Amino acid sequence: GDSVTQMEGPVTLSEEAFLTINCTYTATGYPSLFWYVQYPGEGLQLLLKATKADDKGSNKGFEATYRKETTSFHLEKGSVQVSDSAVYFCALSDRSNTGKLIFGQGTTLQVKP
Amino acid sequence: GAVVSQHPSRVICKSGTSVKIECRSLDFQATTMFWYRQFPKQSLMLMATSNEGSKATYEQGVEKDKFLINHASLTLSTLTVTSAHPEDSSFYICSARDMGLTGEAFFGQGTRLTVV
Repeated sequence: GDSVTQMEGPVTLSEEAFLTINCTYTATGYPSLFWYVQYPGEGLQLLLKATKADDKGSNKGFEATYRKETTSFHLEKGSVQVSDSAVYFCALSDRSNTGKLIFGQGTTLQVKP
Repeated sequence: GAVVSQHPSRVICKSGTSVKIECRSLDFQATTMFWYRQFPKQSLMLMATSNEGSKATYEQGVEKDKFLINHASLTLSTLTVTSAHPEDSSFYICSARDMGLTGEAFFGQGTRLTVV
């Protein structure tokens, strides 16, 4: 079945460092891809998304490009802030139009001042 | 973006009692809502898909008699954890799908259930 694999955390960075969180997926067809962020004690917020190959999603300085050839959707940010500390989830939504999301295991990011 | 409100945010209950969690879409109609469970430091596990006016569809391994789901209107779905036990303690999150142009899923803020 469809699945999402994220790099293991936690990831600890200093403020203003460059961030990459790897995400690869396995799916039949052409899923939509998402990054969600979860701050402590809260639900999930959509960070960005891409619905087709070569699309680039971006928001709040974060970017991810839908790479069909490598089945990847890596999250990047050029300069992280302490406020970016959270858990990041990569997810896919299949084309069956059920709305189901399949999540990766989540990657905890801790940014130190 | 659209707002999904989940209530309560935290609940502590005694073992053997039942707990109801509400999930409301505040500014859009959601014919489909989803219930997830999240264990500490783990990903979200889809428990069931809730369709307005019909029975929920449960994922494999989820006890439908223990986790009762009702989706009586286009803006409200409820999850009732019946005869709760300590192993049911977890973070439960609902999401509602906007059936409009984007089809995007929006998440509630989650409910931390502790069974003592």
